[in-house]
Amino acid sequence: SQQGEEDPQALSIQEGENATMNCSYKTSINNLQWYRQNSGRGLVHLILIRSNEREKHSGRLRVTLDTSKKSSSLLITASRAADTASYFCATDATGRRALTFGSGTRLQVQP
Amino acid sequence: DSGVTQTPKHLITATGQRVTLRCSPRSGDLSVYWYQQSLDQGLQFLIQYYNGEERAKGNILERFSAQQFPDLHSELNLSSLELGDSALYFCASSPSGGSSGNTIYFGEGSWLTVV
Repeated sequence: SQQGEEDPQALSIQEGENATMNCSYKTSINNLQWYRQNSGRGLVHLILIRSNEREKHSGRLRVTLDTSKKSSSLLITASRAADTASYFCATDATGRRALTFGSGTRLQVQP
Repeated sequence: DSGVTQTPKHLITATGQRVTLRCSPRSGDLSVYWYQQSLDQGLQFLIQYYNGEERAKGNILERFSAQQFPDLHSELNLSSLELGDSALYFCASSPSGGSSGNTIYFGEGSWLTVV
């Protein structure tokens, strides 16, 4: 079963616009991570946010975490065509040893 | 390049057959994870090994098994294959035994098609 569920499932925007993806999860977590996957390729780690953090930035990425609502969001600012990929949240749940991935958001950035 | 190497990249086999997928983790990483990605099930955690020993088990079928060898490479064995086993199988590695706070690094995957 999926621990995290991303929303929306698919998102299409124009280059230069911002893209926001949301992730909801079910159990207590130690941290939450976001990964990116280009079509048919391996997943690449983007950013990690710990349960005691509320916001984190990395370049054009901004991640927020609301543990009371069990949700996180990933914002990509000033999107580029090269950002086209699937984005997954992954939770490191308390009591579990392995990351559990959500179902992903497919982002299409139109040039 | 994540440093995690998986072979073969593509594999086509018939139902009922057995295949072995191979993974070499990043240099120095002690943990190896196996994930299965399919359209209907998403990305499912199968199993984790840490320094040669099984550390955590996920949704791994009894027809599947894995091991990690003394040189830390790992193999995932899939037997009595069914059409539904067609998927992209990922290996990932991390330095330590727990995922807490650790980035895990994914290989490019092995595409398995069962016909």
